[in-house]
Amino acid sequence: DAKTTQPTSMDCAEGRAANLPCNHSTISGNEYVYWYRQIHSQGPQYIIHGLKNNETNEMASLIITEDRKSSTLILPHATLRDTAVYYCIVSSENFNKFYFGSGTKLNVKP
Amino acid sequence: SAVISQKPSRDICQRGTSLTIQCQVDSQVTMMFWYRQQPGQSLTLIATANQGSEATYESGFVIDKFPISRPNLTFSTLTVSNMSPEDSSIYLCSVYGTASSYNEQFFGPGTRLTVL
Repeated sequence: DAKTTQPTSMDCAEGRAANLPCNHSTISGNEYVYWYRQIHSQGPQYIIHGLKNNETNEMASLIITEDRKSSTLILPHATLRDTAVYYCIVSSENFNKFYFGSGTKLNVKP
Repeated sequence: SAVISQKPSRDICQRGTSLTIQCQVDSQVTMMFWYRQQPGQSLTLIATANQGSEATYESGFVIDKFPISRPNLTFSTLTVSNMSPEDSSIYLCSVYGTASSYNEQFFGPGTRLTVL
């Protein structure tokens, strides 16, 4: 079963930062937080993942709270092409099985 | 990253028939998985395809309905048996554990199945 809760949808203005929250209050010590997105029924695309520390790559930043019960995905300068469903996933303890929640539909508006 | 292809990309089938979906990866991977995405829904894990042994199914999915094979480290098939309209979904394979990206899971483009 999914171990995450996310808002159903969010709007963001083009060029602004998009901050997508995720709650994972039952996460255990060895479980990672992953973020994927799915554009228009294509296969989900990997964005970023982390365990305890904040992470940044060319696509996004991941901020994980100190107690690890929640995290935020940050897209620093959202574009129209970032319109997608964003999934926050807590991996299984051997970090290979993914149980998807319902995700957040991000609408980037001009 | 891994390059994953699925065949067919889409199909329209009659109820009561079966369809086999193929998943091919361009490199050896540790794990392969099959997911289903019903219209307007999130992804649901069907099973883990185990190389050389029977697949491990999630609750609600059974081998008779969704037989899975994985003869080697780069290929897997999922069969949707005795189809009904409720099986209309996108079926996706994913892989985990490539040589260069051990902690990432990569998804194929999906197979869009419509059952009439």
